[in-house]
Amino acid sequence: QQPVQSPQAVILREGEDAVINCSSSKALYSVHWYRQKHGEAPVFLMILLKGGEQKGHEKISASFNEKKQQSSLYLTASQLSYSGTYFCGTESQSYSGNTPLVFGKGTRLSVIA
Amino acid sequence: NAGVMQNPRHLVRRRGQEARLRCSPMKGHSHVYWYRQLPEEGLKFMVYLQKENIIDESGMPKERFSAEFPKEGPSILRIQQVVRGDSAAYFCASSPPGRGLRRTEAFFGQGTRLTVV
Repeated sequence: QQPVQSPQAVILREGEDAVINCSSSKALYSVHWYRQKHGEAPVFLMILLKGGEQKGHEKISASFNEKKQQSSLYLTASQLSYSGTYFCGTESQSYSGNTPLVFGKGTRLSVIA
Repeated sequence: NAGVMQNPRHLVRRRGQEARLRCSPMKGHSHVYWYRQLPEEGLKFMVYLQKENIIDESGMPKERFSAEFPKEGPSILRIQQVVRGDSAAYFCASSPPGRGLRRTEAFFGQGTRLTVV
């Protein structure tokens, strides 16, 4: 039930791009992306709803392929501030309409100068 | 508008004691979620509550753990007879009323770091 994230960790130089993937074995209604810095609370980045929407947030964008139950987070021209652990949280389809987010194990991103 | 408030930020308990973790959701939010995070691991769902109701507790251990979200006051996660394996960061998140998290984000508190000695 827990979504699978890949890669587990990645190291980038400033200005490089990265893609973080999140896949689920269950039919998804939405995918949420968060970033957590060490010792801090997870911070919301974006939400993607069923329908293959692609959302953007400055130089961070994401896509959601509902047929494959996959989402990808794209970080372009990375900055030092992008360092942290990225989590995808998935919400499965439910007739009740009330389901909690189930998070992947995270992808640790380190951006170096 | 204050964010999600959790207290205490750090809690040390001896084995066998009780731990009480509090979470005040953002103003206007009626959905509360508790997650546990072990070092270098992801966020593991524990329980989902609305005011006076437990909606989903599929992630809660069967024994020693309980949660409530009363009509008035914060949500409480209670761990009885703590053991060393309970040491972790416990995060609370809240979201506005509506159909759960389908269209809105969950806002996380700063967490309570529980250490059992």
